[in-house]
Amino acid sequence: SQTIHQWPATLVQPVGSPLSLECTVEGTSNPNLYWYRQAAGRGLQLLFYSVGIGQISSEVPQNLSASRPQDRQFILSSKKLLLSDSGFYLCAWSALAGGNNEQFFGPGTRLTVL
Amino acid sequence: GENVEQHPSTLSVQEGDSAVIKCTYSDSASNYFPWYKQELGKRPQLIIDIRSNVGEKKDQRIAVTLNKTAKHFSLHITETQPEDSAVYFCAAPYQAGTALIFGKGTTLSVSS
Repeated sequence: SQTIHQWPATLVQPVGSPLSLECTVEGTSNPNLYWYRQAAGRGLQLLFYSVGIGQISSEVPQNLSASRPQDRQFILSSKKLLLSDSGFYLCAWSALAGGNNEQFFGPGTRLTVL
Repeated sequence: GENVEQHPSTLSVQEGDSAVIKCTYSDSASNYFPWYKQELGKRPQLIIDIRSNVGEKKDQRIAVTLNKTAKHFSLHITETQPEDSAVYFCAAPYQAGTALIFGKGTTLSVSS
């Protein structure tokens, strides 16, 4: 069966520090991968999605970036965190086009920027 | 591109009552409409979805209806229970079905 992992589970970082969040999927090949952010009391904001290795689509201009160095690995990064980057970061995967099929979410990373 | 509006943002009902959450979308080409449930501190999970070739789909106490002409779809929960308390998100396809755009969510509270 397929599983999705995210780490770390929680993170507290100072403003201006770098960020690296990792997501990996097991049990499937060539998944579509997604990064979402959920600010406190807010909805699910699509940040990035990837349909293959090295293919990244960015949805929101921001100081975040994403990379997909391997088929089942998706990384969210920042060079300098802002206070507004605090939130709950969720990675998701889908077997086929994620706009027309179920997306499976990871457990999330709760990021607090102080 | 697709735009999804969801309302109400909060909904409080008594146990046993029905709850209805509505969403509208803008892209008439959209053909897949899922609903996700997110319990406090947990990940969202799909609870029901509907494709544009049907107008209604039911799964026990949960149903979703779709009106393609009006471009809106709704989630119906009957005989609500306290464990139905959660945030519910609707979504619609984005970028030719590559991704989903989510509504801002509805916080449902069921009191016993």
